[in-house]
Amino acid sequence: EVQLLESGGGLVQPGGSLRLSCAASGFTFSSYAMIWVRQAPGKGLEWVSSISGSGGITYYADSVRGRFAISRANAKNTLYMQMNSLRAEDTALYYCARITVATFDPWGLGTLVTVSS
Amino acid sequence: QSALTQPRSVSGSPGQSVTISCTGTSSDVGGYNSVSWYQQHPGKAPKVRIYDVSKRPSGVPDRFSGSKSGNTASLTISGLQAEDEADYYCCSYGGTYWVFGGGTKLTVL
Repeated sequence: EVQLLESGGGLVQPGGSLRLSCAASGFTFSSYAMIWVRQAPGKGLEWVSSISGSGGITYYADSVRGRFAISRANAKNTLYMQMNSLRAEDTALYYCARITVATFDPWGLGTLVTVSS
Repeated sequence: QSALTQPRSVSGSPGQSVTISCTGTSSDVGGYNSVSWYQQHPGKAPKVRIYDVSKRPSGVPDRFSGSKSGNTASLTISGLQAEDEADYYCCSYGGTYWVFGGGTKLTVL
């Protein structure tokens, strides 16, 4: 069974940093591009970043470019998101998902990031 | 990277059909046949219902269908059922980015 499990969320002060992880299982991780999507409380979905299977190609939303860094460790079947200079507006549930045939499937359950003093 | 435009809400009675629109630009919806639709129930992760404009993943009922004309994509749900009540999001590839719609709340009356 294909599964994704996010971790690393928590409460952080504005300006602080967090590193999210997404552990993948049930598929050949290195063969798939991956994505991070976030959802602020009561709001819609927002694409954050995506990375190719090899890790050599990355893309970012304008809202996080220069502050967030996506990476992956294919030997560990794990996707990461290093988040720096966090702002209140980064507060959200962060999902990871596998990109397959130009769609996102499956999704993890998400990890909650709260940026507050 | 501006969000795609969806109606905030739609509604229909059991057995009826509803259509949700999703308007983007020539750089995303109009430029690629990579529009997908996601269903999200409260407190749950999104699930794909349609990909590549009109393709259904295995296991998705054929009551769900998708189409596109120019910069606007549409999701049609026919034979509405109570379990279809959820939030629906469209998403399009834009070459170097992905962009979601603002979401549409479907109410089954």
